[in-house]
Amino acid sequence: EIVLTQSPATLSLSPGERATLSCRASQSVGSHLAWYQQKPGQAPRLLIYDASNRAAGVPVRFSGSGSGTDFTLTISSLEPEDFAVYYCQQRGHWPPEWTFGQGTKVEIK
Amino acid sequence: EVQLLQSGGGLVQPGGSLRLSCVASGYTFTDHAMTWVRQAPGKGLEWVSGITGSGGSTYYADSVKGRFTISRDNSKNTVYLQLNSLRPGDTAVYYCAKGRGISSGPYCFDYWGQGTLVTVSS
Repeated sequence: EIVLTQSPATLSLSPGERATLSCRASQSVGSHLAWYQQKPGQAPRLLIYDASNRAAGVPVRFSGSGSGTDFTLTISSLEPEDFAVYYCQQRGHWPPEWTFGQGTKVEIK
Repeated sequence: EVQLLQSGGGLVQPGGSLRLSCVASGYTFTDHAMTWVRQAPGKGLEWVSGITGSGGSTYYADSVKGRFTISRDNSKNTVYLQLNSLRPGDTAVYYCAKGRGISSGPYCFDYWGQGTLVTVSS
C-alpha cells in the first residue's frame, strides 16, 4: 500500500499570503496525484488532478506541481474562503486501492 | 449539472446492517466508476469501496472486506453500499463519489454526494 504523508499538519497564515502544502508518497505514483479541499460540514471538492491540472471552476490561484514521490499544492494569495483542510490522494497499482494523506489544515493566523 | 444525492444512514447497533444509496444525475452513469469514502468524526478521509461502470468489478479496503458490499443498478442510476456486521469503528460520514474520466480504475473523483452519517452504537 502506498502511504501519503502531508506536511505541515497545520499552516497558520493571513489572507493574501502564499500557502505551500506538501504531499510525499512512499513510492512513485507518477503524476497521478490529486488534491481536494474540504470545509467543515461539506463534502470534499476536487481541486487538482494529475498533479498539476485544475479541475473545472477552480481559481487560478490554486496550482499543483510534482511527480514521482514529491508533490506540492500552492495557493498564491489566500482568500478568506480558502481556509480549509486539504487532502492529497492517489490510486495504487492494480487492483486499484485509493489512499488519502492525513490532511493539512490551513487556518487563519 | 452533475448531482449525487445520498440517502440511508442512521443509528444502528453493533452487529447490525444498513444500506446506503446514491442516485446520480447529469451524466452518463454507466461511463463512470463510483466509489464510497468515509470520514470518522474529526478524522481524515478513508476510501471504502469502488465499482466499475458496468458493475463487473468491485474493490474493497481491507477494513471492510467481507462485511460491506458495493453494487449498482444502472437502470436506476444508483449505487449502493450494503453495510453488515457493523462495528463502532465504522461510525463515520459516508460519501459517494464519481470517478473522473471514463476508466474502470479512475485516478480521482470529481463529484461527491452530500454525505450521510452512520452511527454504530448500543
